[in-house]
Parts: sequence; structure tokens; C-alpha cells
Amino acid sequence: AQKITQTQPGMFVQEKEAVTLDCTYDTSDPSYGLFWYKQPSSGEMIFLIYQGSYDQQNATEGRYSLNFQKARKSANLVISASQLGDSAMYFCAMREGIEGKLIFGQGTELSVKP
Amino acid sequence: DSGVTQTPKHLITATGQRVTLRCSPRSGDLSVYWYQQSLDQGLQFLIQYYNGEERAKGNILERFSAQQFPDLHSELNLSSLELGDSALYFCASSEFQTVRSYNEQFFGPGTRLTVL
Repeated sequence: AQKITQTQPGMFVQEKEAVTLDCTYDTSDPSYGLFWYKQPSSGEMIFLIYQGSYDQQNATEGRYSLNFQKARKSANLVISASQLGDSAMYFCAMREGIEGKLIFGQGTELSVKP
Repeated sequence: DSGVTQTPKHLITATGQRVTLRCSPRSGDLSVYWYQQSLDQGLQFLIQYYNGEERAKGNILERFSAQQFPDLHSELNLSSLELGDSALYFCASSEFQTVRSYNEQFFGPGTRLTVL
């Protein structure tokens, strides 16, 4: 069965610094997709970035980049130049099966300090 | 705004009761997914519908059921509610994907259910 692991329940980062949120995954399917979502205190799920298993380059979206190491089965999210508004829960997820349902990790709560 | 709407935003009810959560997907999206987010179980996939048909089932209790209507909106029915059913219920929509495709899921704002 597929599994996503986020080992950091909570993290602190100073404003304007970079931070890496860890995510490891386990799957036997050669085709998969990895997602990162942000959930602020208001509760909505905000899509941040996507990495496909066949993508040759690491995904980037503005201040977000994904450090994809396929052999290690890791897909860490890097947030550059942290802002106070980045304080939120961050979830790593994997698309499973042809139906595309997502399985989620337990999340990492990021707090950005001024 | 993701384009996915969910009603109601908040729902407070008593044990043993039945409730219906409603979801309208983004225009053009045929696939609807339901997820439950609780403190003890985290975010879990419940069920998926595509163009009116059930396509995948996750850890959905027998007390829960869902359907997708011809206009593509979906309803999640929760019955014989227990305290442990208190959670945030998300609906997400996407185009039906094929292997290797991107298929981003757009999440609605969620319905927060409190069972007293």
C-alpha cells in the first residue's frame, strides 16, 4: 500500500529565511504524482506544487520548490524567503491509482517568526 | 477561490442524527472526491464519483453514503452520527485523469461537522 510520511510535526523559521519540510513516500507503482498543500488556520486546502514521477526536473512555483529524490523516495518542499503568511499546516500527498485519489501525510505545522 | 463550493460551512448536530453535506464541483470537472479530516485520523479519502458513477472507495463507514447527480453536484450523507464523526469534510473536484497526467484536485472550503 502507498504511504506518505512527514516526520516533522512542527517547525519554526525566521522571516525571510528558507525552510525545508520533509516528505517521504512508499509506493510500488512506477507512475505516481506528489503534491503539497497548505492549510491555513481558516481551514481551506491550497494547492502549492506538483511533481510527477517521470518529471526530469524538480518542480518550482514561485517561492516554492520541490526537492525530488526518486531513489530515496523523498519529495521535500522548500519555501524560500519565508513570510508571516506562510504560517500554516503543510501536507504532502500522493496520487494513488487511476482514479487519482490522494493519500496524505500527517502534516507539518510551520510557524514563521518575525 | 477554487471554484468548488460546499454547503453548509458549519453543521452542529446530535448523536444518532443524519446530515447531508453538499458539494458543487468546478465548472467542467466531472470527478468529485470526498475527504474527512479529523484530529485522530488525519486527512482520509472517503469516496470518489465520476460523471455520476462511483469509481473508488476508501475508508468510508457503512453509515456514510454519497451520490453524484446529473448536474454533477454531489452529496455525502452521514447517518447514525457518533461523536467520532466530528470532523472537517472536504470535497475536491478534478478532470478525470489518465496515468501520468497532472490532475490537480481543487478543494472546496470544507464543512465542519460537530456532533454533540
